[in-house]
Amino acid sequence: GAVVSQHPSRVICKSGTSVKIECRSLDFQATTMFWYRQFPKQSLMLMATSNEGSKATYEQGVEKDKFLINHASLTLSTLTVTSAHPEDSSFYICSAGVLGFTSTDTQYFGPGTRLTVL
Amino acid sequence: QKEVEQNSGPLSVPEGAIASLNCTYSDRGSQSFFWYRQYSGKSPELIMFIYSNGDKEDGRFTAQLNKASQYVSLLIRDSQPSDSATYLCAVAYSGGGADGLTFGKGTHLIIQP
Repeated sequence: GAVVSQHPSRVICKSGTSVKIECRSLDFQATTMFWYRQFPKQSLMLMATSNEGSKATYEQGVEKDKFLINHASLTLSTLTVTSAHPEDSSFYICSAGVLGFTSTDTQYFGPGTRLTVL
Repeated sequence: QKEVEQNSGPLSVPEGAIASLNCTYSDRGSQSFFWYRQYSGKSPELIMFIYSNGDKEDGRFTAQLNKASQYVSLLIRDSQPSDSATYLCAVAYSGGGADGLTFGKGTHLIIQP
């Protein structure tokens, strides 16, 4: 149980284009979904937190107009990187938070999406 | 500013020995503590979580939490070459299911055959 999928796993795009990344919880309903970013040899940094049907909460320094998050259902969240530039190239990882899934709260990570902007 | 500190390593441990990984955190109000394992190019995989002071054991892994010292550790017994990875310590202000995690930079562990 507690499987989270992401699509696509890898994307290469030209500078100025927009890229959409999907995150799905496959066998459970996620109360909250999170988006993280990891640059090479760095740790994961939380970008935003989203709850189904609500506006996402962005971390300080993350541009909400550039990184659009839609959380349409308890099993699907999307991150759209608008007008992507080479500095947006990174490993984007979503996670799904579960309350009380195993008698306590935790979150499970998707496999990640590697974005390369040329 | 919440901070989580880990020694980046690499930490080299002989096969079969105990690997000890340490982590300190700055926010005294933190309630939930997690250890993740990350292989190169992959996303993190949850190993253990701990909420209460003391030890928590799961198979070859033992997590230790000392809130007074703001210190979390992970012990890996009978280390195997497949345990070679980067181990990430993560902290949440409240429950890990509803709160974004603050990660340390990770400790690179190498198990020598």
